[in-house]
Amino acid sequence: KAGVTQTPRYLIKTRGQQVTLSCSPISGHRSVSWYQQTPGQGLQFLFEYFSETQRNKGNFPGRFSGRQFSNSRSEMNVSTLELGDSALYLCASSTGTKNTEAFFGQGTRLTVV
Amino acid sequence: QKEVEQNSGPLSVPEGAIASLNCTYSDRGSQSFFWYRQYSGKSPELIMSIYSNGDKEDGRFTAQLNKASQYVSLLIRDSQPSDSATYLCAVTVQGAQKLVFGQGTRLTINP
Repeated sequence: KAGVTQTPRYLIKTRGQQVTLSCSPISGHRSVSWYQQTPGQGLQFLFEYFSETQRNKGNFPGRFSGRQFSNSRSEMNVSTLELGDSALYLCASSTGTKNTEAFFGQGTRLTVV
Repeated sequence: QKEVEQNSGPLSVPEGAIASLNCTYSDRGSQSFFWYRQYSGKSPELIMSIYSNGDKEDGRFTAQLNKASQYVSLLIRDSQPSDSATYLCAVTVQGAQKLVFGQGTRLTINP
């Protein structure tokens, strides 16, 4: 059974640019959540999509957005990149039901210069 | 007060001993509790989930939950050097599919 796949693994972008990250969940999972991990703030929740709808949202500015497709694949977009956006971006896949376990992809390491 | 608190460590344990990791949470309505292991430069890996009060054992790992005290712990028996990693406690917020993580405890197993 394939795991959670995130692409690309590494990205280097310049301040002001935008970036799109992709996540393919485990087959049969309908929920995809996105997290940002930095040394100072740890793992922070960005948003969750379930059946193409954003169901939960964290406390991040509107520059961070996402979407989910009918095949449950999800993309996350960050516009007008800032140096502080440099982080490991992780997506987690789950069935989306109560008391469900979440499984993480390998992550995308974004560096903003 | 942080929603999920862990001692950041580092926690140093001799090989073969029991490693004990602790976590407290503030939301009394929290329903699901998880322990993830994260090796340096890697993504978090789920090692235990627990939903009701008491102990849950899986191999060398035992998770303990006490909702009255808002406390979750992870015991690792017969610790191995390969257990050296950062252990993250995560809790789901009531009514939401959202994991709230502690800062993680860095565990080192000394041969």
